[in-house]
Amino acid sequence: KQEVTQIPAALSVPEGENLVLNCSFTDSAIYNLQWFRQDPGKGLTSLLLIQSSQREQTSGRLNASLDKSSGRSTLYIAASQPGDSATYLCAVPINDYKLSFGAGTTVTVRA
Amino acid sequence: NAGVTQTPKFQVLKTGQSMTLQCAQDMNHNSMYWYRQDPGMGLRLIYYSASEGTTDKGEVPNGYNVSRLNKREFSLRLESAAPSQTSVYFCASSQYPAGQGNTEAFFGQGTRLTVV
Repeated sequence: KQEVTQIPAALSVPEGENLVLNCSFTDSAIYNLQWFRQDPGKGLTSLLLIQSSQREQTSGRLNASLDKSSGRSTLYIAASQPGDSATYLCAVPINDYKLSFGAGTTVTVRA
Repeated sequence: NAGVTQTPKFQVLKTGQSMTLQCAQDMNHNSMYWYRQDPGMGLRLIYYSASEGTTDKGEVPNGYNVSRLNKREFSLRLESAAPSQTSVYFCASSQYPAGQGNTEAFFGQGTRLTVV
């Protein structure tokens, strides 16, 4: 059974510091991994998707890496801003249609 | 660009009442999904529709029914609401199966349902 873990559960950093968010999964036979952002009381916003053949994916200040062999993905957010405060979730497919989500890391960026 | 739109955003039901949650996407996606999000349980798949005209059970389908009305719309019905169905419900869509290749899943803003 695919288990997805995100540690730490919460993170607080001063503005300007780089953020490093971790996602671990137990079954390395995945086709992709997706990172989402969720603001309080809101839906999930897709940030990045990494295909299994890729090592990393970049979008603006965000960079996500994927190491299938070790069952890990890392989301880096450069030069954090208060607007980056949110919960970040990673998800991997269990089958064609079901995604298994981590519990998320709640980030607070202090001004 | 609306993406995935859910209605209503909030709802309070009494035990035993029924209601339908509506979802529509304007991205011409083939696959649609219903998830529920609960504290400590994360997001769990209720039902999905691989394509227009098909629906299948997910992880927690009991107490729910779905209808894929057309390519755009996928509704979730609670026939007799129970307090255990108090949750936040999310509809999502993807062009192809979300577990394949470079297919992203896109989520709506959620429906916050309380059953008293």
